[in-house]
Amino acid sequence: NAGVTQTPKFQVLKTGQSMTLQCAQDMNHNSMYWYRQDPGMGLRLIYYSASEGTTDKGEVPNGYNVSRLNKREFSLRLESAAPSQTSVYFCANWGQGPNYGYTFGSGTRLTVV
Amino acid sequence: DAKTTQPPSMDCAEGRAANLPCNHSTISGNEYVYWYRQIHSQGPQYIIHGLKNNETNEMASLIITEDRKSSTLILPHATLRDTAVYYCIVRAAGFSGGYNKLIFGAGTRLAVHP
Repeated sequence: NAGVTQTPKFQVLKTGQSMTLQCAQDMNHNSMYWYRQDPGMGLRLIYYSASEGTTDKGEVPNGYNVSRLNKREFSLRLESAAPSQTSVYFCANWGQGPNYGYTFGSGTRLTVV
Repeated sequence: DAKTTQPPSMDCAEGRAANLPCNHSTISGNEYVYWYRQIHSQGPQYIIHGLKNNETNEMASLIITEDRKSSTLILPHATLRDTAVYYCIVRAAGFSGGYNKLIFGAGTRLAVHP
């Protein structure tokens, strides 16, 4: 099925550890996004990529880096995880036509202890 | 981008229409109203969007007031599976830089009960 795939689904990190959250789409859309969602709150934009090779900061970029190496993949990296980064992370793309608007992945639930 | 105000929670009986209000009194002429929903811990799902005319699709109807300062999302026959958090978002068309950024607030938690 066409969509956005995120890996891993769950992850526990110790403070100071690093990791990369992977996101891949098979919808051939240009723009991709990383959001985080804390309990009881809406989604906050971390970074986005308007097209392959470009990235820009969103509302809450501190502590994160991203890579958009090709049209299909957009990864989010935590260089030195902190407990404040405990959250659910969603990757999304934006499309037109039959797949108008955001298509979100199923999320990565990250806990930093 | 205009700010939106939604009630934090609502209840609806199964089979009845669910009417979810959204206030966006500072909306400007080129801003669209989008609705998304998030079921449990899944990623948000697109429902519908509109500029000034009422819109309907297979999921819902969107009613926008004539002055565009508020709107209502209508689920005509709510089912238990419609229990979710519903987000009303206002965003301008004509995005700069080729991106489409939506700001999600806290939304309305809709509980559909038997």
